[in-house]
Amino acid sequence: QAQLVQSESEMKKPGASVKISCKASGYSFTTHAIHWVRQVPGQRPEWMGWLDVRTGDTKYSDNLQGRVSITRNTSATTAYLDLSSLRLEDTAVYFCARHWGMGRLDNWGQGTLVTVSS
Amino acid sequence: DIVMTQSPLSLPVTPGEPASISCRSSQSLQRSDGYKFLDWYLQKAGQSPQLLIYLGSTRAPGVPDRFSGSGSGTDFTLNITRVEAEDVGVYYCMQPLQTPYTFGQGTKLEIK
Repeated sequence: QAQLVQSESEMKKPGASVKISCKASGYSFTTHAIHWVRQVPGQRPEWMGWLDVRTGDTKYSDNLQGRVSITRNTSATTAYLDLSSLRLEDTAVYFCARHWGMGRLDNWGQGTLVTVSS
Repeated sequence: DIVMTQSPLSLPVTPGEPASISCRSSQSLQRSDGYKFLDWYLQKAGQSPQLLIYLGSTRAPGVPDRFSGSGSGTDFTLNITRVEAEDVGVYYCMQPLQTPYTFGQGTKLEIK
């Protein structure tokens, strides 16, 4: 059974960076893209970017250009989200999700809370 | 970016009664091959979103058949024939036609 397990909550100061991991199991890791979505509590989810796991190609939201990087380690079946120059408004729950195809995000990680506070 | 607008934002429903949620997009989500790029997700309290419907009307594996999706172009609807207590949560529509993928504001379904 496919599963995505994310790293634990993080607390960071403004200006710092955070790296979140997303460990995949139960399916062929390189067959499906991974997307990252974040959600401020009480607000709608916000798409951040996606990674073609097979090729390493990425596409990011314009809102985050220059601050976000999505990478993977295929031998560890793990995808990573790096977000730099953190701001208070980056406080959110961050999710990774598997892209099955034809648009659908069919399997989600449990979420990682990132709190940015001085 | 494609703007997604849902209504209503709050939906109190009596168990056993039907429910309907509307989602409208700022541009057509129907590709030239006929596929409709509109998904529905349910997010229960404290959980990750879970896929209910994709391509506008196809139920994801394991989703009860009381859930159905319909629509085309810029107007889509999620219907629940008979609401059960376990259906409580926030429903989101999402367009995966183009990046950035965008979500509606969410519709909070609660039991009366």
